[in-house]
Amino acid sequence: QVQLQQWGAGLLKPSETLSLTCAVSGGSLSGYHWSWIRQPPGKGLEWIGEINHSGSANYHLSLESRATIALDTSKNEFSLRLNSVTAADTAVYFCARLAFWSEYCHDIWGQGALVTVSS
Amino acid sequence: QSVLTQPPSASAAPGQKVTISCSGSSSDIGKNYVSWYQHLPGAPPKLLIYENDKRPSGIPDRFSGSKSGTSATLAITGLQPGDEADYYCGTWGDYLTALWVFGGGTKVTVL
Repeated sequence: QVQLQQWGAGLLKPSETLSLTCAVSGGSLSGYHWSWIRQPPGKGLEWIGEINHSGSANYHLSLESRATIALDTSKNEFSLRLNSVTAADTAVYFCARLAFWSEYCHDIWGQGALVTVSS
Repeated sequence: QSVLTQPPSASAAPGQKVTISCSGSSSDIGKNYVSWYQHLPGAPPKLLIYENDKRPSGIPDRFSGSKSGTSATLAITGLQPGDEADYYCGTWGDYLTALWVFGGGTKVTVL
């Protein structure tokens, strides 16, 4: 079955760039879209953005000036970069598969990664 | 502030039923399918319901979903201690602000 394994730096200083990668195993990137979602401490889930298997991405309006989601089809991975981070970007970050053409839901999730921004 | 509105909390005794509402608008829930997610501490969210009322393989039929107009509801019957978690609704957004939106989440407590 399809599994998502994510990793990246967990502690950043303000103004640095957040970088996370999510590897897809047991399946292909094709046919699905791939999302990044975060949960700040004590708050709910916030959708960051998504990318399709062709590399076309969409972002939450509040983050699109700082976020970049990319695809590496050779490695079956996708990634998130968020530049100029502040304390407000402290959150658990999840990668997830978005069933865009059927089911219309996030059906598979990565394990999550805590990213803390602190000076 | 979330686009979709959920009550912050809900509770019921073991074996009883709890329902969670998710209120949106004609731009999101009104014209799109709704999905529901269970989020236990320390674990990733888990898909419970998709396309308003369908359960993925392995999800017990104690969990059910429905949608009417611009609102959706998740019902959990035969409540168990292991059901104590945060529950989120989600659907497509207005494409201007966000392609996808979540509710603010509802903390379910088993009394």
